[in-house]
Amino acid sequence: EPEVTQTPSHQVTQMGQEVILRCVPISNHLYFYWYRQILGQKVEFLVSFYNNEISEKSEIFDDQFSVERPDGSNFTLKIRSTKLEDSAMYFCASSEPPPSRYDGYTFGSGTRLTVV
Amino acid sequence: QQQVKQSPQSLIVQKGGISIINCAYENTAFDYFPWYQQFPGKGPALLIAIRPDVSEKKEGRFTISFNKSAKQFSLHIMDSQPGDSATYFCAALTRSSGNTGKLIFGQGTTLQVKP
Repeated sequence: EPEVTQTPSHQVTQMGQEVILRCVPISNHLYFYWYRQILGQKVEFLVSFYNNEISEKSEIFDDQFSVERPDGSNFTLKIRSTKLEDSAMYFCASSEPPPSRYDGYTFGSGTRLTVV
Repeated sequence: QQQVKQSPQSLIVQKGGISIINCAYENTAFDYFPWYQQFPGKGPALLIAIRPDVSEKKEGRFTISFNKSAKQFSLHIMDSQPGDSATYFCAALTRSSGNTGKLIFGQGTTLQVKP
């Protein structure tokens, strides 16, 4: 079964450092997303991406965050200057084109980011 | 209002029992309501989903009941098994520009099924 692959599985970084989280979406999917989950809390939407541009971003996704699809397979989330409160699980997801195929909305296993 | 409210926060059920988790929403623009199952250290995995023009959907031991007028939907797990012990999230999808779909998640329910 096709899956969304995320690397690394765990990243520890010092406060103020830049981190890049990487994702390989399912190959025929056209829509890409990042979500985050602070330990013990719900999953929160960060950003959606389609046709090489951001479709929507949440209030969490401030100027410190950016996304990029640098080639035909990878989708990255960059945090420019990490803060302690950025510590969370970050999930990449991809989906097939709507309206009829939202069942194909697939999440990766996540990257646990720990900012120290 | 873009919230989805989920209850209970935690649930303990005996093996073979029925687990019921409830969710409520306000935004009538939501047009897809999935349930996700999450095991520790893993990403959410789609369990079952429903569209608002359907009142019930059943897949194996899992059933979604949907009440459009009340803006509520629930997950029923029949014959609950210890392997069902996980965190369950309801969610609702709203369309964004470019027709991307943004999922709004409930707070999650930690289910423990006792042998």
